[in-house]
Amino acid sequence: QKEVEQDPGPLSVPEGAIVSLNCTYSNSAFQYFMWYRQYSRKGPELLMYTYSSGNKEDGRFTAQVDKSSKYISLFIRDSQPSDSATYLCAMSSRMDTGRRALTFGSGTRLQVQP
Amino acid sequence: SQTIHQWPATLVQPVGSPLSLECTVEGTSNPNLYWYRQAAGRGLQLLFYSIGIDQISSEVPQNLSASRPQDRQFILSSKKLLLSDSGFYLCALSRGNTEAFFGQGTRLTVV
Repeated sequence: QKEVEQDPGPLSVPEGAIVSLNCTYSNSAFQYFMWYRQYSRKGPELLMYTYSSGNKEDGRFTAQVDKSSKYISLFIRDSQPSDSATYLCAMSSRMDTGRRALTFGSGTRLQVQP
Repeated sequence: SQTIHQWPATLVQPVGSPLSLECTVEGTSNPNLYWYRQAAGRGLQLLFYSIGIDQISSEVPQNLSASRPQDRQFILSSKKLLLSDSGFYLCALSRGNTEAFFGQGTRLTVV
């Protein structure tokens, strides 16, 4: 079993739709949770960063962490064609802080149709 | 602000040839540096990380090696490339507690 599971998609939605992207994980030591957006042939860029459980909102993006269920989500409101990209979840534990490396999901490809 | 320079952006190399990918960092000092590989349809796999000059840790056994001759320079190398070395190679640095900031990557195709 992979440490982090993420549906690869593609997920196709019409412009203006609410998008829900999700990851599940198995390592209960994970405490730091991130979402990255990766456009084709580019490096990932950090979208959202949360620590422990709860919600965090930034503009049209909301990150949600449920540690009891080992489940994290990214919601995109009023989706735009420019949101079309691959979204990667990533996480790490306090024990990783020496090397501070992240464990990534495989990414979900999102297509927002105009 | 921090910047990561990676080159080349695209590379096609024959099997058995050597490899050298370079990553340089600006706007920060003494960063943790990482090499990741991303295969098609798969997540990022950590290959190497470095917490300082000449301090390299390997995450997975492989045909590759890494070196950090200067604080802001991280090099990924191979003496003889294999077909399985094809992929998208990303250099990254850690910022804050656990964030990672990525370069634009090198797409390597071994033929």
